[in-house]
Amino acid sequence: EPEVTQTPSHQVTQMGQEVILRCVPISNHLYFYWYRQILGQKVEFLVSFYNNEISEKSEIFDDQFSVERPDGSNFTLKIRSTKLEDSAMYFCASSVRGGRSTYEQYFGPGTRLTVT
Amino acid sequence: SQQGEEDPQALSIQEGENATMNCSYKTSINNLQWYRQNSGRGLVHLILIRSNEREKHSGRLRVTLDTSKKSSSLLITASRAADTASYFCATVIRGNEKLTFGTGTRLTIIP
Repeated sequence: EPEVTQTPSHQVTQMGQEVILRCVPISNHLYFYWYRQILGQKVEFLVSFYNNEISEKSEIFDDQFSVERPDGSNFTLKIRSTKLEDSAMYFCASSVRGGRSTYEQYFGPGTRLTVT
Repeated sequence: SQQGEEDPQALSIQEGENATMNCSYKTSINNLQWYRQNSGRGLVHLILIRSNEREKHSGRLRVTLDTSKKSSSLLITASRAADTASYFCATVIRGNEKLTFGTGTRLTIIP
């Protein structure tokens, strides 16, 4: 069964460093998402992406964050200058259709980002 | 107030019993989805119910939606040890595409 994959599973970085989290969505999906979950807290929406552009973003997704689909398969989240409070589990998700999300979003296993 | 609050926060039952988890939300929705998360792992989609639907079944899962009360419930029948996980409801509001997650119910099935 097709699944969303994410690499790395765990990333440790120093404050101020740039990190790139990678995701490979399900191949026939067209809508892509990033969410994060700080330890012990709710899963929070960061950004949605369709047709090579951001379709929606949250207040969390400030200028330090960017997303890209560099080729036909990968979907990346970049944090330019990490802060301690960026430590969280980051989930990538994809759906076959979306726009108004009547469709299920399928999540990857997550990347645990630890900023020291 | 936050969109998506589950209760109870934690639930422990004996294997074979039924487990019921509830979710309340604040604003009108397009649909509501339930997800499962095993400890430290990703989110697994369980079921989606649209705002014009009242009940849906999938295997041992039964979801109800009451839009007048802005609430949903997830029933797992004949629970198994493998059902031990955290369960989250997530809402999608009209005109939006993001999932807004609740706080989750941690379910423990005692063998």
